[in-house]
Amino acid sequence: QARLVESGGGVVQPGRSLRLSCAASGFTFSIYGMHWVRQAPGKGLEWVARISYDGKNENYGDSVVGRFSISRDNSRATVYLQMIGLRGEDTAVYYCARDRDGGPLNSWGQGTLVTVSS
Amino acid sequence: SYVVTQPPSVSVAPGETARLTCGGDKIGNLRVHWYQQRPAQAPVLVMFYDVVRPSGIPQRFSGSNSGSTATLTISRVEVGDEADYYCQVWEPTTNRGVFGGGTRLTVL
Repeated sequence: QARLVESGGGVVQPGRSLRLSCAASGFTFSIYGMHWVRQAPGKGLEWVARISYDGKNENYGDSVVGRFSISRDNSRATVYLQMIGLRGEDTAVYYCARDRDGGPLNSWGQGTLVTVSS
Repeated sequence: SYVVTQPPSVSVAPGETARLTCGGDKIGNLRVHWYQQRPAQAPVLVMFYDVVRPSGIPQRFSGSNSGSTATLTISRVEVGDEADYYCQVWEPTTNRGVFGGGTRLTVL
């Protein structure tokens, strides 16, 4: 059974950086696209970033392009989200999720909370 | 960028039918996925490629998509169906994900 476990969240000051990790298990990680989706407190879901199964293609949402970077290590079955220049509006629970061949996000982690505050 | 629109809330009594809509320009040409999110929990996929139910999702859940509206229909609604529901598509030219704003289903 697929399992995704996010880590790396916490409280960070505006302008600082943070790296999130998502460890995968229970499935063949290297054939799945991976995503980060976030949810600000009391708000809806916002798609953040995607990386292809082989790491060769990346896409980003408008609100994070140029500040966030997604990467993956297939040997460690882990996907990362490097966040720089954090802002208050980046405060959210960050979920990682997987897809296969551009299909639905069929497995999600439980999320990690990032709070950007001075 | 592509925009999908959902009504903020829908209320139904137990046993009735809930129809949750997701609107977008020619959304019938895209494949729509639906997620259920209960309070303080991660989202769960409840419908994909417009009409396909994942294993474990009751047959009471069905989907459709045509023209400018996709619909998730929940028949014989139960108290346990109370949750936020999000539709999602992949933006045609950029492959970026797009979520609707979500609909809160309240079971009266």
